[in-house]
Amino acid sequence: DQQVKQNSPSLSVQEGRISILNCDYTNSMFDYFLWYKKYPAEGPTFLISISSIKDKNEDGRFTVFLNKSAKHLSLHIVPSQPGDSAVYFCAASPNTGNQFYFGTGTSLTVIP
Amino acid sequence: KAGVTQTPRYLIKTRGQQVTLSCSPISGHRSVSWYQQTPGQGLQFLFEYFSETQRNKGNFPGRFSGRQFSNSRSEMNVSTLELGDSALYLCASHPSEGTEAFFGQGTRLTVV
Repeated sequence: DQQVKQNSPSLSVQEGRISILNCDYTNSMFDYFLWYKKYPAEGPTFLISISSIKDKNEDGRFTVFLNKSAKHLSLHIVPSQPGDSAVYFCAASPNTGNQFYFGTGTSLTVIP
Repeated sequence: KAGVTQTPRYLIKTRGQQVTLSCSPISGHRSVSWYQQTPGQGLQFLFEYFSETQRNKGNFPGRFSGRQFSNSRSEMNVSTLELGDSALYLCASHPSEGTEAFFGQGTRLTVV
């Protein structure tokens, strides 16, 4: 049972525009959420996280929004750059331990 | 500061054999977790170790096992390999509970 879902397998965006990647979860016990970026043949790289006590967290070009009532989070990348082309995974964790539940990923292509 | 190191990077094994993968976490990190990544499945949690004790376990058969040593290095073992075990196996270390995970580059296991 997939508790974290990324329903868009791929997304293409023009350079300089906004990229919006979406993620839904089903488990109300999740209280910590993260986004990772992955290039082929490399491990995932941490991008940004958000705790359930917040609804927004910003780090440079990356902003994560959390809507707890809808069990939905999104990652905004502004402006998008060709180097952002990668697979993006969202992940969620309950409030104990370090077990992360990952989505299946969204492949982002930023077109120059 | 050195990152998470996984060895070997690539491995080819025959059905029925067993395999051991190794992970050295970031210095000072005491929590190590393991994930399996297969196409279309995202990252699936295998188990987490903290101070040499398994703290969480994912939904994998008993053929998958692991351990952690006093220096926080971890190994995972898969016995009686099946073709479906072909995957990228990722190790992550955590600075503390409820924080982001730092991933290694992974071990690509191919079972033939």
